Amino acid sequence: ETGVTQSPTHLIKTRGQQVTLRCSSQSGHNTVSWYQQALGQGPQFIFQYYREEENGRGNFPPRFSGLQFPNYSSELNVNALELDDSALYLCASSLDRGLTDTQYFGPGTRLTVL
Amino acid sequence: AQSVTQLGSHVSVSEGALVLLRCNYSSSVPPYLFWYVQYPNQGLQLLLKYTSAATLVKGINGFEAEFKKSETSFHLTKPSAHMSDAAEYFCAVREAAGNKLTFGGGTRVLVKP
Repeated sequence: ETGVTQSPTHLIKTRGQQVTLRCSSQSGHNTVSWYQQALGQGPQFIFQYYREEENGRGNFPPRFSGLQFPNYSSELNVNALELDDSALYLCASSLDRGLTDTQYFGPGTRLTVL
Repeated sequence: AQSVTQLGSHVSVSEGALVLLRCNYSSSVPPYLFWYVQYPNQGLQLLLKYTSAATLVKGINGFEAEFKKSETSFHLTKPSAHMSDAAEYFCAVREAAGNKLTFGGGTRVLVKP
């Protein structure tokens, strides 16, 4: 069974650019959540997708957007990159959106904005 | 709003000694509580979770945590530290009405030989 995978592993962008991060959920999982983890901090919830629909959003501006595809893989898009967007972006999938459903995390994408 | 506080951003223990990581939460409704571990340059791995069943929860790698409602705590312990326990540990809460995990700031554990 393949776990959660993310691509790319590392990415360097400049301010103002746009970036797309990708996540493949674990087999059979229909829910994907995205988190931003700044250096030395705990992860912060960006948003969650359930069966291709957004199912909750954290305190992030609209330039953070996402998609979930019919195979339940997902993308995180960030427009107009700012220096503070430099972070580890984590994707987590779960079997369903239930409260006790465990979120399984991928290895993350390290984004550096110069 | 729910929040999680982890006391001590760094903890140093000797190999074989008790590991105790503290987590306090604030939540207006009964919470679901989680402990995750993060090894360098890796994602988060679930250690254990509390979902309103037994208050003492056993997890992987010899870790356990006890939910104490009166103290709003969910401290993580391991009787005997191993070198492989060196990592960062995160406590997280998920409210009954929510769909996100709220994480604490993390505690980095250093294990001395």
